[in-house]
Amino acid sequence: GAGVSQSPRYKVTKRGQDVALRCDPISGHVSLYWYRQALGQGPEFLTYFNYEAQQDKSGLPNDRFSAERPEGSISTLTIQRTEQRDSAMYRCASSQGGNYNEQFFGPGTRLTVL
Amino acid sequence: AQSVTQPDIHITVSEGASLELRCNYSYGATPYLFWYVQSPGQGLQLLLKYFSGDTLVQGIKGFEAEFKRSQSSFNLRKPSVHWSDAAEYFCAVGKYGNKLVFGAGTILRVKS
Repeated sequence: GAGVSQSPRYKVTKRGQDVALRCDPISGHVSLYWYRQALGQGPEFLTYFNYEAQQDKSGLPNDRFSAERPEGSISTLTIQRTEQRDSAMYRCASSQGGNYNEQFFGPGTRLTVL
Repeated sequence: AQSVTQPDIHITVSEGASLELRCNYSYGATPYLFWYVQSPGQGLQLLLKYFSGDTLVQGIKGFEAEFKRSQSSFNLRKPSVHWSDAAEYFCAVGKYGNKLVFGAGTILRVKS
């Protein structure tokens, strides 16, 4: 596809359930980023990958959150034992890598934890 | 620590009027600076970016921004606003291969 895609677009789950959010970056993009955006706030960095290597996971709030990108393309963000405070928009972005950090964002996944 | 401040949560302008959205940043070195726009149901779209060189940068949709190092600012401007510009605007700071730090955003309303 031409842009970054994310699925599902909307996810409603019950507290305590695990969820997996998928990101399909722009073809050929080396770097992939995950952000979380609470209502009324800007996106907040969670983690990023170069190829399949997770370079920085300093933004993951706790060990219930994990991410992988096993083949250097599609990435999955997993939240275990979801809590109501996890409700947010989760955004994925990709970039070509190199010197310029122009990130292209997907439409996001709106997660609601009941 | 890196941070971005967008002092205005909401701004309302009349169609055809000029626009300036404020952005101040805190960063230890010369940063890369970005403005993104977010329309309802859409992803974030890059309007313009500053990496180095000319401090006045031109972007898409008729937007421009000026980097002022002495003021740690990167304000977004447009000479004549259109109704379709109504959206939320985010300023961000980053560096090579690194995470972006976003401001809280400014919601622009355009009145006819």
